[in-house]
Amino acid sequence: DIVMTQSPDSLPVSLGERATISCKSSHSVLDSSNSKNYLAWYQQKPGQPPKLLTYWASIREYGVPDRFSGSGSGTDFTLTINSLQAEDVAIYYCQQYYSTPPTFGQGTKVEIK
Amino acid sequence: QVQLVQSGPEVKMPGASVKVSCKASGYTFTSLGINWVRQAPGQGLEWMGWSSTNNEKTNFAHKFQGRVTMTTDTSTSTAYMELRSLTSDDTAVYYCARDPRPSAERKNWFDPWGQGTLVTVSS
Repeated sequence: DIVMTQSPDSLPVSLGERATISCKSSHSVLDSSNSKNYLAWYQQKPGQPPKLLTYWASIREYGVPDRFSGSGSGTDFTLTINSLQAEDVAIYYCQQYYSTPPTFGQGTKVEIK
Repeated sequence: QVQLVQSGPEVKMPGASVKVSCKASGYTFTSLGINWVRQAPGQGLEWMGWSSTNNEKTNFAHKFQGRVTMTTDTSTSTAYMELRSLTSDDTAVYYCARDPRPSAERKNWFDPWGQGTLVTVSS
């Protein structure tokens, strides 16, 4: 199974500042035949299911604010939240769908400093 | 809008079985597969398996093989996940989550998700 490792586990950020979350995979999730990275990001607020933010590493889901952006390739990926808002307090997960079983990172908790 | 609505919370004894339902609406149920993902209290997300909605195909995570069944009822646009021989380690919120697109290789992210069903295993 591909192991997904996120850092940090907890990220205190001041309102209006940038939050940067890292996700590393134990195996490349880049398919060279189509140049796509099989990596998604989710946001989960307490008592709610995960909500899709991005897929193919950097494609923002419809309706997701543009302060959320995904980047990276191969084994190293980043979710950036520009100008953190109070409603962005949540746990963020990365997920690879390059191979079965699809696997998730352990989560990064973003909170207000 | 696309929606997945799951059945209510369950409390089960160790050794029992639980069956969770996931009713879909807002799209053609048979066009996209359904996944099941669980989340133990305070823990991360764990994929359990995938079920086709237009044939009998399923694909399970190794740790659940032999203990889980995933089925669908196209007449009611409902997917089911049954987990047997429950232990306290199975206490978790169970989510259904749809494939976002057809994929012969079943390589997909998940969107949308059901609201979750809490299954508590306790004597």
